[in-house]
Amino acid sequence: DMQMTQSPPSLSASVGDRVTITCQASQDIRNSLSWYQQKSGKAPKLLIYDASKLKTGVPSRFSGSGSGTDFTFTISSLQPEDIATYYCQQYDDLLSFGGGTKVEIK
Amino acid sequence: EVQLVESGGDLVQPGGSLRLSCAASGFTFSNYAMSWVRQAPGKGLEWVSAISGGGIGTFYADSVRGRFTISRDKSTNTLYLHMDSLRAEDTAVYYCAKTSWAMARGPFDSWGQGTLVTVSS
Repeated sequence: DMQMTQSPPSLSASVGDRVTITCQASQDIRNSLSWYQQKSGKAPKLLIYDASKLKTGVPSRFSGSGSGTDFTFTISSLQPEDIATYYCQQYDDLLSFGGGTKVEIK
Repeated sequence: EVQLVESGGDLVQPGGSLRLSCAASGFTFSNYAMSWVRQAPGKGLEWVSAISGGGIGTFYADSVRGRFTISRDKSTNTLYLHMDSLRAEDTAVYYCAKTSWAMARGPFDSWGQGTLVTVSS
């Protein structure tokens, strides 16, 4: 079974900081990876797909990179409205999510 | 504008059954695969089931295979999830999600607001 290991589980950063989240797949998933943002009490929203493609309308401070088994999600300058939990999802071997990363403001 | 509206969530006893619905609008329903994703209280996202755009291909997580059935009705633009033999661990908010293309394996570009299923005696 495909396993998606996301780290860290939580992080605290200051406004304006660069924030990085990683996601590791247990096997090669090429670039079949997306990133979602979920704010408290709300449905998730797609930010990045195909590992690095920004969904239309998503701010450019969000970015993704990687291929194969190792992927990175970056917020270049953390804003107060970015407080949320972020999830990676693979769609190469059926579908599965990482465990999530809760991002808080320091 | 894409809209997905779930309904059918309820309190049900262990061993019971429930059918969830997701009314879709704002896009050509049969051109896109659809999925159900759930989130237990305070936990992360778990993919549950997917169906291809044409409805031929259906896929399930190991945790629900044999108990849940996904289907879709193109005449009413509605996605369904029939759940049997419900267990306490099925308690969650269930979201329907639209895939970006007809194949079931893909990113979810639109989500509904979710419907709560509680399995308890």
